Amino acid sequence: AQSVAQPEDQVNVAEGNPLTVKCTYSVSGNPYLFWYVQYPNRGLQFLLKYITGDNLVKGSYGFEAEFNKSQTSFHLKKPSALVSDSALYFCAVRPSLNTDKLIFGTGTRLQVFP
Amino acid sequence: NAGVTQTPKFQVLKTGQSMTLQCAQDMNHEYMSWYRQDPGMGLRLIHYSVGAGITDQGEVPNGYNVSRSTTEDFPLRLLSAAPSQTSVYFCARNRTGRGPLSTQYFGPGTRLTVL
Repeated sequence: AQSVAQPEDQVNVAEGNPLTVKCTYSVSGNPYLFWYVQYPNRGLQFLLKYITGDNLVKGSYGFEAEFNKSQTSFHLKKPSALVSDSALYFCAVRPSLNTDKLIFGTGTRLQVFP
Repeated sequence: NAGVTQTPKFQVLKTGQSMTLQCAQDMNHEYMSWYRQDPGMGLRLIHYSVGAGITDQGEVPNGYNVSRSTTEDFPLRLLSAAPSQTSVYFCARNRTGRGPLSTQYFGPGTRLTVL
Protein backbone atom coordinates (compact mmCIF):
# COMPACT_ATOMS: atom_id res chain seq x y z
CA ALA A 1 0.00 0.00 0.00
CA GLN A 2 1.15 3.52 -0.71
CA SER A 3 1.98 5.41 2.42
CA VAL A 4 4.07 8.09 4.09
CA ALA A 5 5.53 7.77 7.56
CA GLN A 6 6.75 10.49 9.86
CA PRO A 7 8.16 8.50 12.76
CA GLU A 8 8.47 11.39 15.20
CA ASP A 9 5.43 13.12 16.64
CA GLN A 10 7.61 15.91 17.96
CA VAL A 11 11.14 17.16 17.45
CA ASN A 12 12.76 19.52 19.91
CA VAL A 13 15.83 21.55 19.01
CA ALA A 14 17.64 24.55 20.43
CA GLU A 15 17.76 27.73 18.41
CA GLY A 16 20.87 27.86 16.24
CA ASN A 17 21.24 24.09 16.10
CA PRO A 18 20.62 22.05 12.95
CA LEU A 19 17.28 20.33 12.65
CA THR A 20 16.03 17.25 10.86
CA VAL A 21 12.44 16.13 10.44
CA LYS A 22 12.20 12.60 9.12
CA CYS A 23 9.98 11.18 6.40
CA THR A 24 9.90 7.81 4.69
CA TYR A 25 7.60 6.71 1.93
CA SER A 26 6.31 3.58 0.28
CA VAL A 27 5.11 3.86 -3.31
CA SER A 28 5.63 1.90 -6.46
CA GLY A 29 7.42 3.72 -9.24
CA ASN A 30 9.00 7.16 -9.02
CA PRO A 31 7.65 9.30 -6.20
CA TYR A 32 7.03 13.03 -6.20
CA LEU A 33 7.65 14.27 -2.68
CA PHE A 34 6.58 17.39 -0.87
CA TRP A 35 7.00 19.17 2.44
CA TYR A 36 4.39 21.52 3.85
CA VAL A 37 4.41 23.60 7.02
CA GLN A 38 1.44 24.63 9.14
CA TYR A 39 1.75 27.50 11.58
CA PRO A 40 -0.80 27.71 14.42
CA ASN A 41 -4.34 28.36 13.20
CA ARG A 42 -3.16 28.65 9.61
CA GLY A 43 -3.42 26.60 6.45
CA LEU A 44 -0.64 24.51 4.97
CA GLN A 45 2.14 26.33 3.21
CA PHE A 46 4.24 24.68 0.52
CA LEU A 47 7.94 24.46 1.44
CA LEU A 48 9.62 22.38 -1.25
CA LYS A 49 9.29 19.40 -3.52
CA TYR A 50 11.35 16.72 -5.21
CA ILE A 51 10.50 15.72 -8.75
CA THR A 52 13.72 14.42 -10.26
CA GLY A 53 17.37 15.34 -10.54
CA ASP A 54 19.52 16.61 -7.68
CA ASN A 55 18.80 14.71 -4.48
CA LEU A 56 19.17 17.85 -2.37
CA VAL A 57 16.24 20.18 -2.81
CA LYS A 58 16.23 23.73 -1.49
CA GLY A 59 13.03 25.44 -0.47
CA SER A 60 11.53 28.36 1.38
CA TYR A 61 12.76 29.86 4.68
CA GLY A 62 16.19 28.17 4.43
CA PHE A 63 14.83 24.63 4.48
CA GLU A 64 16.17 21.85 2.34
CA ALA A 65 15.37 18.18 1.94
CA GLU A 66 17.42 15.21 0.91
CA PHE A 67 15.93 12.50 -1.26
CA ASN A 68 17.40 9.04 -0.71
CA LYS A 69 15.97 6.44 -3.05
CA SER A 70 17.67 3.44 -1.48
CA GLN A 71 16.33 4.33 1.96
CA THR A 72 13.01 5.63 0.57
CA SER A 73 13.43 8.77 2.65
CA PHE A 74 12.93 12.48 2.18
CA HIS A 75 14.15 14.16 5.36
CA LEU A 76 13.65 17.87 5.91
CA LYS A 77 16.66 19.80 7.17
CA LYS A 78 17.79 23.25 8.17
CA PRO A 79 21.35 24.15 9.21
CA SER A 80 20.35 26.62 11.94
CA ALA A 81 16.91 26.53 13.54
CA LEU A 82 14.93 29.63 14.47
CA VAL A 83 12.25 29.91 17.15
CA SER A 84 9.92 31.05 14.37
CA ASP A 85 10.37 27.64 12.69
CA SER A 86 8.23 26.10 15.42
CA ALA A 87 5.25 24.61 13.58
CA LEU A 88 3.68 21.39 12.33
CA TYR A 89 5.42 19.84 9.34
CA PHE A 90 3.83 17.45 6.88
CA CYS A 91 5.51 15.20 4.35
CA ALA A 92 3.42 14.15 1.36
CA VAL A 93 3.85 12.02 -1.72
CA ARG A 94 2.21 12.09 -5.11
CA PRO A 95 2.40 8.44 -6.10
CA SER A 96 2.58 8.98 -9.86
CA LEU A 97 1.91 11.42 -12.67
CA ASN A 98 -1.39 9.68 -13.33
CA THR A 99 -2.95 11.29 -10.27
CA ASP A 100 -2.94 14.68 -8.58
CA LYS A 101 -3.77 13.12 -5.23
CA LEU A 102 -1.40 13.55 -2.31
CA ILE A 103 -0.84 11.06 0.47
CA PHE A 104 0.14 12.81 3.69
CA GLY A 105 2.10 11.70 6.71
CA THR A 106 0.70 12.26 10.17
CA GLY A 107 2.81 15.34 10.80
CA THR A 108 5.72 16.24 13.07
CA ARG A 109 5.58 19.11 15.51
CA LEU A 110 8.84 21.04 15.61
CA GLN A 111 9.62 22.99 18.78
CA VAL A 112 12.60 25.31 18.66
CA PHE A 113 13.65 26.57 22.08
CA PRO A 114 15.49 29.86 22.64
CA ASN B 1 -4.24 32.50 1.14
CA ALA B 2 -2.54 30.98 -1.92
CA GLY B 3 -5.46 32.05 -4.10
CA VAL B 4 -7.92 29.86 -2.19
CA THR B 5 -10.72 31.32 -0.08
CA GLN B 6 -12.66 29.28 2.46
CA THR B 7 -15.77 30.29 4.38
CA PRO B 8 -16.68 30.19 7.17
CA LYS B 9 -13.53 30.09 9.30
CA PHE B 10 -15.37 28.55 12.24
CA GLN B 11 -18.67 26.72 12.53
CA VAL B 12 -20.53 24.90 15.26
CA LEU B 13 -23.32 22.52 14.29
CA LYS B 14 -25.68 20.26 16.11
CA THR B 15 -25.88 16.61 15.18
CA GLY B 16 -28.16 16.16 12.19
CA GLN B 17 -27.83 19.67 10.85
CA SER B 18 -26.63 20.28 7.32
CA MET B 19 -24.28 22.91 6.00
CA THR B 20 -22.02 23.80 3.11
CA LEU B 21 -18.37 24.72 3.38
CA GLN B 22 -17.43 27.13 0.65
CA CYS B 23 -14.21 27.07 -1.34
CA ALA B 24 -13.27 29.40 -4.15
CA GLN B 25 -10.09 29.87 -6.15
CA ASP B 26 -9.14 32.77 -8.34
CA MET B 27 -6.39 31.10 -10.35
CA ASN B 28 -8.57 29.29 -12.91
CA HIS B 29 -6.92 25.99 -12.08
CA GLU B 30 -8.51 22.70 -12.93
CA TYR B 31 -7.78 20.53 -9.93
CA MET B 32 -9.40 21.18 -6.55
CA SER B 33 -9.72 18.97 -3.52
CA TRP B 34 -11.03 18.79 0.03
CA TYR B 35 -9.11 17.33 2.97
CA ARG B 36 -9.87 16.92 6.62
CA GLN B 37 -7.20 17.23 9.28
CA ASP B 38 -7.47 15.30 12.50
CA PRO B 39 -4.88 15.04 15.30
CA GLY B 40 -2.43 12.22 14.73
CA MET B 41 -3.90 11.37 11.34
CA GLY B 42 -2.50 14.01 9.03
CA LEU B 43 -4.64 15.13 6.12
CA ARG B 44 -7.05 12.76 4.46
CA LEU B 45 -8.62 13.34 1.07
CA ILE B 46 -12.42 13.60 1.06
CA HIS B 47 -13.33 14.49 -2.53
CA TYR B 48 -11.56 15.99 -5.49
CA SER B 49 -12.35 17.44 -8.89
CA VAL B 50 -10.27 17.54 -12.05
CA GLY B 51 -12.47 20.17 -13.68
CA ALA B 52 -15.93 21.69 -13.88
CA GLY B 53 -18.59 18.99 -13.87
CA ILE B 54 -16.17 16.24 -12.77
CA THR B 55 -15.83 15.04 -9.19
CA ASP B 56 -14.59 11.87 -7.54
CA GLN B 57 -14.22 10.33 -4.13
CA GLY B 58 -11.10 10.34 -2.05
CA GLU B 59 -10.14 8.31 0.98
CA VAL B 60 -12.94 9.35 3.36
CA PRO B 61 -15.98 10.46 1.31
CA ASN B 62 -18.82 9.12 3.47
CA GLY B 63 -21.11 11.82 4.81
CA TYR B 64 -19.93 14.44 2.34
CA ASN B 65 -21.09 15.61 -1.08
CA VAL B 66 -19.41 17.91 -3.56
CA SER B 67 -20.23 19.57 -6.85
CA ARG B 68 -18.19 21.58 -9.34
CA SER B 69 -20.47 23.69 -11.49
CA THR B 70 -17.75 26.27 -12.19
CA THR B 71 -13.96 26.22 -12.26
CA GLU B 72 -13.82 28.71 -9.42
CA ASP B 73 -16.04 27.06 -6.80
CA PHE B 74 -15.91 23.68 -5.08
CA PRO B 75 -18.35 23.53 -2.15
CA LEU B 76 -18.38 20.68 0.36
CA ARG B 77 -21.76 19.68 1.78
CA LEU B 78 -22.47 17.87 5.01
CA LEU B 79 -25.96 16.42 4.66
CA SER B 80 -26.45 15.33 8.28
CA ALA B 81 -23.59 16.32 10.53
CA ALA B 82 -22.18 13.84 13.02
CA PRO B 83 -19.70 14.38 15.88
CA SER B 84 -17.18 12.29 13.93
CA GLN B 85 -17.07 15.09 11.37
CA THR B 86 -15.59 17.48 13.91
CA SER B 87 -12.37 18.44 12.19
CA VAL B 88 -10.47 21.13 10.33
CA TYR B 89 -11.28 21.17 6.64
CA PHE B 90 -8.89 22.37 3.97
CA CYS B 91 -9.54 23.09 0.34
CA ALA B 92 -6.67 23.00 -2.14
CA ARG B 93 -5.97 23.84 -5.75
CA ASN B 94 -3.22 22.77 -8.11
CA ARG B 95 -1.00 25.51 -9.43
CA THR B 96 -0.38 23.90 -12.80
CA GLY B 97 -2.80 21.02 -12.98
CA ARG B 98 -1.47 17.70 -14.13
CA GLY B 99 2.17 17.06 -14.84
CA PRO B 100 5.35 16.84 -12.79
CA LEU B 101 5.29 20.50 -11.82
CA SER B 102 1.90 20.22 -10.17
CA THR B 103 1.86 21.61 -6.64
CA GLN B 104 -1.17 21.85 -4.37
CA TYR B 105 -1.83 25.12 -2.56
CA PHE B 106 -4.13 25.21 0.44
CA GLY B 107 -6.73 27.58 1.79
CA PRO B 108 -6.77 28.79 5.41
CA GLY B 109 -9.19 26.10 6.59
CA THR B 110 -12.59 25.82 8.26
CA ARG B 111 -12.74 24.59 11.84
CA LEU B 112 -15.97 22.63 12.31
CA THR B 113 -17.36 21.37 15.59
CA VAL B 114 -20.38 19.07 15.67
CA LEU B 115 -22.09 18.77 19.04
